[in-house]
Amino acid sequence: VIWMTQSPSLLSASTGDRVTISCRMSQGISSYLAWYQQKPGKAPELLIYAASTLQSGVPSRFSGSGSGTDFTLTISCLQSEDFATYYCQQYYSFPPAFGQGTKVEIK
Amino acid sequence: EVQLVESGGGLVQPGGSLRLSCAASGFTFSDHYMDWVRQAPGKGLEWVGRTRNKANSYTTEYAASVKGRFTISRDDSKNSLYLQMNSLKTEDTAVYYCARVPAGYDFWSGYTDYWGQGTLVTVSS
Repeated sequence: VIWMTQSPSLLSASTGDRVTISCRMSQGISSYLAWYQQKPGKAPELLIYAASTLQSGVPSRFSGSGSGTDFTLTISCLQSEDFATYYCQQYYSFPPAFGQGTKVEIK
Repeated sequence: EVQLVESGGGLVQPGGSLRLSCAASGFTFSDHYMDWVRQAPGKGLEWVGRTRNKANSYTTEYAASVKGRFTISRDDSKNSLYLQMNSLKTEDTAVYYCARVPAGYDFWSGYTDYWGQGTLVTVSS
Protein backbone atom coordinates (compact mmCIF):
# COMPACT_ATOMS: atom_id res chain seq x y z
CA VAL A 1 0.00 0.00 0.00
CA ILE A 2 1.23 3.47 -0.89
CA TRP A 3 0.57 6.09 1.76
CA MET A 4 -0.23 9.57 0.49
CA THR A 5 0.13 12.81 2.39
CA GLN A 6 -1.44 15.88 0.86
CA SER A 7 -0.78 19.24 2.47
CA PRO A 8 -1.97 21.63 3.62
CA SER A 9 -5.54 20.50 4.27
CA LEU A 10 -6.69 24.14 4.27
CA LEU A 11 -5.08 27.04 2.48
CA SER A 12 -6.25 30.64 2.87
CA ALA A 13 -5.21 32.89 0.00
CA SER A 14 -6.14 36.02 -1.87
CA THR A 15 -6.88 36.59 -5.53
CA GLY A 16 -3.60 37.06 -7.36
CA ASP A 17 -1.57 34.93 -4.95
CA ARG A 18 0.72 32.12 -6.02
CA VAL A 19 -0.24 28.96 -4.18
CA THR A 20 1.34 25.53 -3.95
CA ILE A 21 -0.12 22.25 -2.78
CA SER A 22 2.03 19.26 -1.93
CA CYS A 23 1.44 15.55 -2.36
CA ARG A 24 3.98 13.15 -0.90
CA MET A 25 4.11 9.38 -1.40
CA SER A 26 5.51 6.73 0.92
CA GLN A 27 7.26 5.13 -2.05
CA GLY A 28 8.17 6.17 -5.57
CA ILE A 29 5.44 6.32 -8.20
CA SER A 30 7.45 7.69 -11.12
CA SER A 31 5.13 10.30 -12.70
CA TYR A 32 1.84 8.43 -12.23
CA LEU A 33 0.08 11.33 -10.51
CA ALA A 34 -3.01 13.33 -11.39
CA TRP A 35 -4.54 16.47 -9.89
CA TYR A 36 -8.28 17.24 -9.75
CA GLN A 37 -10.30 20.32 -8.83
CA GLN A 38 -13.69 20.01 -7.17
CA LYS A 39 -16.13 22.84 -6.53
CA PRO A 40 -18.98 22.48 -4.01
CA GLY A 41 -21.78 20.27 -5.32
CA LYS A 42 -19.88 19.47 -8.50
CA ALA A 43 -17.93 16.53 -9.85
CA PRO A 44 -14.12 16.56 -9.78
CA GLU A 45 -12.43 17.83 -12.92
CA LEU A 46 -9.05 16.69 -14.17
CA LEU A 47 -6.39 19.39 -14.19
CA ILE A 48 -3.10 17.57 -14.65
CA TYR A 49 -1.98 14.00 -15.40
CA ALA A 50 1.41 12.36 -15.63
CA ALA A 51 2.49 14.77 -12.87
CA SER A 52 2.96 17.75 -15.19
CA THR A 53 0.79 17.42 -18.31
CA LEU A 54 -2.01 19.97 -18.45
CA GLN A 55 -5.39 18.53 -19.44
CA SER A 56 -6.88 20.15 -22.54
CA GLY A 57 -8.79 23.33 -21.71
CA VAL A 58 -7.18 23.88 -18.31
CA PRO A 59 -5.75 27.41 -17.86
CA SER A 60 -1.98 27.72 -18.01
CA ARG A 61 -1.83 29.27 -14.52
CA PHE A 62 -2.08 25.67 -13.28
CA SER A 63 1.09 23.61 -13.34
CA GLY A 64 2.33 20.39 -11.84
CA SER A 65 5.81 19.19 -11.01
CA GLY A 66 7.65 16.37 -9.34
CA SER A 67 8.40 12.70 -9.76
CA GLY A 68 9.13 9.79 -7.50
CA THR A 69 7.73 10.68 -4.09
CA ASP A 70 7.23 14.46 -4.04
CA PHE A 71 4.75 16.35 -6.19
CA THR A 72 3.44 19.91 -6.31
CA LEU A 73 0.44 21.65 -7.82
CA THR A 74 1.02 25.36 -8.38
CA ILE A 75 -1.53 28.02 -9.24
CA SER A 76 0.53 30.97 -10.41
CA CYS A 77 -2.05 33.74 -10.02
CA LEU A 78 -5.13 32.69 -8.08
CA GLN A 79 -8.43 33.66 -9.68
CA SER A 80 -11.86 33.80 -8.02
CA GLU A 81 -12.97 30.66 -9.82
CA ASP A 82 -10.02 28.72 -8.38
CA PHE A 83 -11.39 28.66 -4.84
CA ALA A 84 -12.17 24.97 -4.57
CA THR A 85 -10.86 21.69 -3.17
CA TYR A 86 -7.94 19.98 -4.89
CA TYR A 87 -7.07 16.28 -4.80
CA CYS A 88 -4.02 14.38 -5.95
CA GLN A 89 -4.36 10.80 -7.16
CA GLN A 90 -1.68 8.16 -7.60
CA TYR A 91 -2.30 5.59 -10.32
CA TYR A 92 1.03 3.77 -10.21
CA SER A 93 -0.15 1.16 -7.75
CA PHE A 94 -3.53 -0.56 -7.85
CA PRO A 95 -6.00 0.40 -6.52
CA PRO A 96 -5.69 4.04 -7.48
CA ALA A 97 -5.91 6.28 -4.45
CA PHE A 98 -6.66 9.92 -3.72
CA GLY A 99 -5.05 12.31 -1.32
CA GLN A 100 -7.06 13.79 1.54
CA GLY A 101 -7.75 17.03 -0.32
CA THR A 102 -6.75 20.67 0.05
CA LYS A 103 -9.43 23.32 0.38
CA VAL A 104 -8.37 26.68 -1.02
CA GLU A 105 -10.45 29.39 0.61
CA ILE A 106 -10.63 33.14 0.39
CA LYS A 107 -8.42 34.87 2.93
CA GLU B 1 -18.75 16.47 -26.00
CA VAL B 2 -18.12 13.72 -23.48
CA GLN B 3 -21.07 13.26 -21.14
CA LEU B 4 -21.63 10.85 -18.28
CA VAL B 5 -24.99 10.90 -16.51
CA GLU B 6 -25.61 8.82 -13.40
CA SER B 7 -29.02 7.80 -12.11
CA GLY B 8 -30.63 5.39 -9.68
CA GLY B 9 -29.60 6.87 -6.35
CA GLY B 10 -31.97 7.19 -3.43
CA LEU B 11 -32.77 6.18 0.12
CA VAL B 12 -32.36 2.52 1.03
CA GLN B 13 -32.39 0.68 4.33
CA PRO B 14 -29.30 -1.09 5.69
CA GLY B 15 -29.03 -4.53 4.15
CA GLY B 16 -30.90 -3.41 1.06
CA SER B 17 -29.90 -3.22 -2.58
CA LEU B 18 -29.69 -0.53 -5.23
CA ARG B 19 -28.58 -0.40 -8.86
CA LEU B 20 -26.95 2.69 -10.26
CA SER B 21 -26.67 3.46 -13.96
CA CYS B 22 -24.34 5.70 -15.94
CA ALA B 23 -25.27 6.73 -19.48
CA ALA B 24 -22.31 7.70 -21.66
CA SER B 25 -22.29 9.79 -24.81
CA GLY B 26 -19.91 11.82 -26.94
CA PHE B 27 -17.22 9.14 -27.21
CA THR B 28 -16.72 5.51 -28.18
CA PHE B 29 -17.75 3.88 -24.92
CA SER B 30 -16.45 0.44 -25.87
CA ASP B 31 -12.90 1.78 -26.17
CA HIS B 32 -12.68 2.75 -22.52
CA TYR B 33 -12.31 1.20 -19.11
CA MET B 34 -14.67 2.79 -16.60
CA ASP B 35 -14.53 3.54 -12.88
CA TRP B 36 -16.95 4.13 -10.05
CA VAL B 37 -15.75 6.57 -7.39
CA ARG B 38 -17.68 7.70 -4.32
CA GLN B 39 -17.61 10.58 -1.88
CA ALA B 40 -19.23 10.42 1.54
CA PRO B 41 -20.83 13.68 2.73
CA GLY B 42 -18.12 16.19 3.60
CA LYS B 43 -15.36 13.67 2.91
CA GLY B 44 -12.78 12.90 0.24
CA LEU B 45 -12.84 10.71 -2.84
CA GLU B 46 -12.77 6.92 -2.61
CA TRP B 47 -12.20 4.66 -5.61
CA VAL B 48 -14.83 1.89 -5.72
CA GLY B 49 -14.03 -0.24 -8.74
CA ARG B 50 -13.06 -0.52 -12.41
CA THR B 51 -14.26 -2.52 -15.38
CA ARG B 52 -12.48 -3.43 -18.56
CA ASN B 53 -14.23 -3.27 -21.92
CA LYS B 54 -15.53 -6.10 -24.11
CA ALA B 55 -12.19 -6.49 -25.88
CA ASN B 56 -10.71 -7.31 -22.49
CA SER B 57 -13.49 -9.60 -21.30
CA TYR B 58 -15.28 -7.09 -19.06
CA THR B 59 -13.15 -8.09 -16.08
CA THR B 60 -13.46 -6.03 -12.92
CA GLU B 61 -11.58 -5.04 -9.78
CA TYR B 62 -12.99 -3.61 -6.55
CA ALA B 63 -11.94 -1.77 -3.45
CA ALA B 64 -11.66 -4.00 -0.40
CA SER B 65 -14.47 -2.05 1.29
CA VAL B 66 -17.03 -3.15 -1.31
CA LYS B 67 -15.65 -6.42 -2.67
CA GLY B 68 -18.25 -9.20 -2.52
CA ARG B 69 -21.12 -6.72 -2.12
CA PHE B 70 -20.85 -4.51 -5.21
CA THR B 71 -20.79 -5.62 -8.85
CA ILE B 72 -19.86 -3.50 -11.83
CA SER B 73 -21.24 -4.36 -15.25
CA ARG B 74 -21.63 -2.61 -18.58
CA ASP B 75 -23.60 -2.86 -21.78
CA ASP B 76 -21.49 -1.49 -24.60
CA SER B 77 -24.44 -1.73 -27.02
CA LYS B 78 -26.32 0.76 -24.81
CA ASN B 79 -23.28 2.87 -23.85
CA SER B 80 -24.13 2.19 -20.23
CA LEU B 81 -22.30 1.34 -17.03
CA TYR B 82 -23.91 -0.12 -13.92
CA LEU B 83 -23.18 -0.58 -10.24
CA GLN B 84 -25.20 -3.20 -8.39
CA MET B 85 -24.93 -2.60 -4.66
CA ASN B 86 -26.08 -5.31 -2.26
CA SER B 87 -25.93 -5.68 1.53
CA LEU B 88 -25.69 -1.92 1.86
CA LYS B 89 -24.29 -0.40 5.03
CA THR B 90 -24.72 3.07 6.50
CA GLU B 91 -21.08 3.77 5.63
CA ASP B 92 -21.92 3.32 1.92
CA THR B 93 -23.82 6.61 2.05
CA ALA B 94 -22.15 8.79 -0.56
CA VAL B 95 -22.39 10.49 -3.91
CA TYR B 96 -21.41 7.93 -6.54
CA TYR B 97 -19.62 9.06 -9.68
CA CYS B 98 -18.88 7.17 -12.85
CA ALA B 99 -15.64 8.21 -14.53
CA ARG B 100 -13.80 7.40 -17.73
CA VAL B 101 -10.26 6.04 -18.03
CA PRO B 102 -8.53 7.45 -21.15
CA ALA B 103 -8.25 5.01 -24.03
CA GLY B 104 -4.97 3.20 -24.35
CA TYR B 105 -4.06 3.19 -20.69
CA ASP B 106 -3.16 0.00 -18.89
CA PHE B 107 -5.97 -1.28 -16.68
CA TRP B 108 -3.69 -1.22 -13.66
CA SER B 109 -2.35 2.29 -14.11
CA GLY B 110 -4.96 4.66 -15.51
CA TYR B 111 -6.35 7.90 -14.18
CA THR B 112 -9.82 9.29 -15.01
CA ASP B 113 -10.37 12.18 -17.38
CA TYR B 114 -14.15 12.76 -17.34
CA TRP B 115 -16.66 12.36 -14.53
CA GLY B 116 -20.43 12.38 -14.30
CA GLN B 117 -22.31 14.73 -11.98
CA GLY B 118 -22.94 11.97 -9.44
CA THR B 119 -25.95 10.36 -7.80
CA LEU B 120 -26.58 10.34 -4.05
CA VAL B 121 -27.11 7.07 -2.21
CA THR B 122 -28.34 7.30 1.37
CA VAL B 123 -28.35 4.17 3.49
CA SER B 124 -30.44 4.73 6.58
CA SER B 125 -33.27 3.17 8.57
